[in-house]
Amino acid sequence: NAGVTQTPKFRILKIGQSMTLQCTQDMNHNYMYWYRQDPGMGLKLIYYSVGAGITDKGEVPNGYNVSRSTTEDFPLRLELAAPSQTSVYFCASSPSDEQFFGPGTRLTVL
Amino acid sequence: QKEVEQDPGPLSVPEGAIVSLNCTYSNSAFQYFMWYRQYSRKGPELLMYTYSSGNKEDGRFTAQVDKSSKYISLFIRDSQPSDSATYLCAMTPNSGGSNYKLTFGKGTLLTVNP
Repeated sequence: NAGVTQTPKFRILKIGQSMTLQCTQDMNHNYMYWYRQDPGMGLKLIYYSVGAGITDKGEVPNGYNVSRSTTEDFPLRLELAAPSQTSVYFCASSPSDEQFFGPGTRLTVL
Repeated sequence: QKEVEQDPGPLSVPEGAIVSLNCTYSNSAFQYFMWYRQYSRKGPELLMYTYSSGNKEDGRFTAQVDKSSKYISLFIRDSQPSDSATYLCAMTPNSGGSNYKLTFGKGTLLTVNP
């Protein structure tokens, strides 16, 4: 099993640009999550999903959108990138208790 | 008061030392407590998982929960340079189900020097 994979690993965006961060898991987990991690600030939940077709907002959803059309994929969309969205983004999946994290995407908005 | 407080460190210890990492929390509804380890430029990985109060041991690692004091700890015995990482505490009121979301501490950066 590859586990949780994320692409791209790194990205630099200009202010106002859009992009999609991809997340795929091959463990058939129902629950999937998107977090952002800023230096010294821990992990903040952006959006989560309890199954295909079902998503909900986390703690910091503004400026982001998600979709969950399949069990495997949970892409995160940034529509109008802002410098405040510079961060490391982690996707995670879970069968119920333990969350399995991907390697992260480092995003810089200039 | 923040929901979960964790001293960010950094904490630097010599190899072989006993390390104590701690978190305090304010939400008395938290029932499930976890410690994640995160190596530099990697995703977090689950290290220890405990339910309610008490101790749990796994090799060199011991997780301790004191719900009356709203305080959790992770002890590392005979620390090794490979233990150098950021340690994040996490907790939730629920296990599984549609409300399963974790609240994380900010993480403590640990360096074990050879």
